[in-house]
Order: sequence, then structure tokens, then C-alpha cells
Amino acid sequence: GQNIDQPTEMTATEGAIVQINCTYQTSGFNGLFWYQQHAGEAPTFLSYNVLDGLEEKGRFSSFLSRSKGYSYLLLKELQMKDSASYLCAVRDSNYQLIWGAGTKLIIKP
Amino acid sequence: ETGVTQTPRHLVMGMTNKKSLKCEQHLGHNAMYWYKQSAKKPLELMFVYSLEERVENNSVPSRFSPECPNSSHLFLHLHTLQPEDSALYLCASSQDPSGSQETQYFGPGTRLLVL
Repeated sequence: GQNIDQPTEMTATEGAIVQINCTYQTSGFNGLFWYQQHAGEAPTFLSYNVLDGLEEKGRFSSFLSRSKGYSYLLLKELQMKDSASYLCAVRDSNYQLIWGAGTKLIIKP
Repeated sequence: ETGVTQTPRHLVMGMTNKKSLKCEQHLGHNAMYWYKQSAKKPLELMFVYSLEERVENNSVPSRFSPECPNSSHLFLHLHTLQPEDSALYLCASSQDPSGSQETQYFGPGTRLLVL
């Protein structure tokens, strides 16, 4: 079966750095997405990786290793507004998105 | 209005009621999606419409009935639901469902409680 694994919850301190991991086993691979979802709000697109390596976008970076079935989202200079759930999703060979259950990130002052 | 909108935002219904969820996208996209989001579970894809034709139906019970009258509007008709159907129902849209780099844009969801 297809599976996306990510930690259920993480806690970090304002101003620090946090890395949220995502591992996947899917039938085929056509890209990996990270979304941010604040409580009671819509998921919003953060990043897309299809080739190995690091994609940097401001305070957020996303890394992919296709051979290891692994990605991470790196958040720097954490702010209180970064408290949210972070969803990892992989597009499989049928171009269907397979979703992880999300990682709830709690930022403490 | 911009992006993807959904109404109502909250809905409480009994198991014998009939209700409808509405989604509208203002992005000029060709594909629309219904997802179910339950606490601590992955998003479950329910239905996909591309150019107003249903292209995906992931073994969803018949008590959920989608309707896509045009590329901007999507409905989810609900009848004789069960308490386990209580969840957040998210609508999304994208330009092309078969594009590998396709980004889906989500609405804020309808929080449904079935009593």
C-alpha cells in the first residue's frame, strides 16, 4: 500500500530552527508537496520538490531524496505565526496526491 | 471574492436530514476536488471533477453525492449521514489534475457535525 509518515506533533522555540521530516512509500513518484494549515483554515501551498536537493524560499526550505523516499521542511527564525499543521503529500504514478496525516507544530515564546 | 470559497463554514445535521455543501472557485481552474479531513488522519480524496466531468470516485458511500454544474462550482449533497461522517470537508481546485507540478488551492472547509 501507499504510505506517508510524518511526526504527529513537534514543539520549538520562537527564533529557533525546526526540521519536519516526511518519509514515503508510493507507487511511482511525480513530486512532493508541503502545505501549511492553520487551525480552522485552508491548507496553503508552501513548496514543491521533484528533483533531489534543497529548495529555499525565504525562511522555509524543503529537501528531497528520492532514493531514500525522504523529505524535510526546514523552518528558520521561527515566529509565533508559524504555529500550524504541516502536511506532506506525494503525487504518485497516477498523478494522485497521497497525503500524510500532518505534523502539528507548536511554537513557544 | 478571490480563491476558493465554501459555504456553510459550519453545519450540524441529524442523520435523517438532507443538506448540501457549496464550493466556488474564482481562479479559472478546470479541476475541482472534494476531500474529507478527520482529526489526525490524512486527507481523504472523495471526488475529482475535470472540465465538469467526474474523473475520480474513491469508493465513497452513496450518501455523498457530488454535483459540478460548471467549472467554477461544486456541490456535495448529503443525506442519511452517520456520526462517523463528522469531519472537515475541504474543496480544492487546480488548473489540470494530470499535471505533475499541479498545485491545488483549498477552500477554508465546512466543519460538519452529524448527530
